[in-house]
Amino acid sequence: GEDVEQSLFLSVREGDSSVINCTYTDSSSTYLYWYKQEPGAGLQLLTYIFSNMDMKQDQRLTVLLNKKDKHLSLRIADTQTGDSAIYFCAESSNTGNQFYFGTGTSLTVIP
Amino acid sequence: GAVVSQHPSWVICKSGTSVKIECRSLDFQATTMFWYRQFPKQSLMLMATSNEGSKATYEQGVEKDKFLINHASLTLSTLTVTSAHPEDSSFYICSASSNGYGYTFGSGTRLTVV
Repeated sequence: GEDVEQSLFLSVREGDSSVINCTYTDSSSTYLYWYKQEPGAGLQLLTYIFSNMDMKQDQRLTVLLNKKDKHLSLRIADTQTGDSAIYFCAESSNTGNQFYFGTGTSLTVIP
Repeated sequence: GAVVSQHPSWVICKSGTSVKIECRSLDFQATTMFWYRQFPKQSLMLMATSNEGSKATYEQGVEKDKFLINHASLTLSTLTVTSAHPEDSSFYICSASSNGYGYTFGSGTRLTVV
């Protein structure tokens, strides 16, 4: 399958910005997603970006896509303790029949 | 890196029949397997968590007699959708973890019940 990679851990102080990075290998990816998983819960879709976009902003969340380098990032502005969770990036083709997930980045927000 | 192989990628079955989906960890021991179902807005709902050799723990609202989960070995977990109905048509995806260290997802199974 395709490779989607993330670093496993990230710690930030409350109020700072968090940047979670993801790299992928599939050049035919059409959609790229960020999911949030809180303890004991499923994966909540935070945002997604089409591969023909460079940036998408939604309130405190900014997604940046560098298609040439196959690099995706999620920036969380003014990080709060409630943002502590595991964040997964994922990519899929335009059929949506196959998803490839990263291993998840565990974000810890320090008060 | 760690790989989870999920089969089949897609399946069409008749209403009333059962369908089995397999997830295999190819190069690591999956002490815990998670099964998710994807809903139209792309959120993945956790259906159940299974530890090798133990009964699966189902989330509230998930019928354990309908969605049978078996995790008999450290490399294989199966989800069987019994007496499938059209409303069971969905995208199912598994995830495996080795002692809570990182998660590896299968590529998913698109189930269509006709």
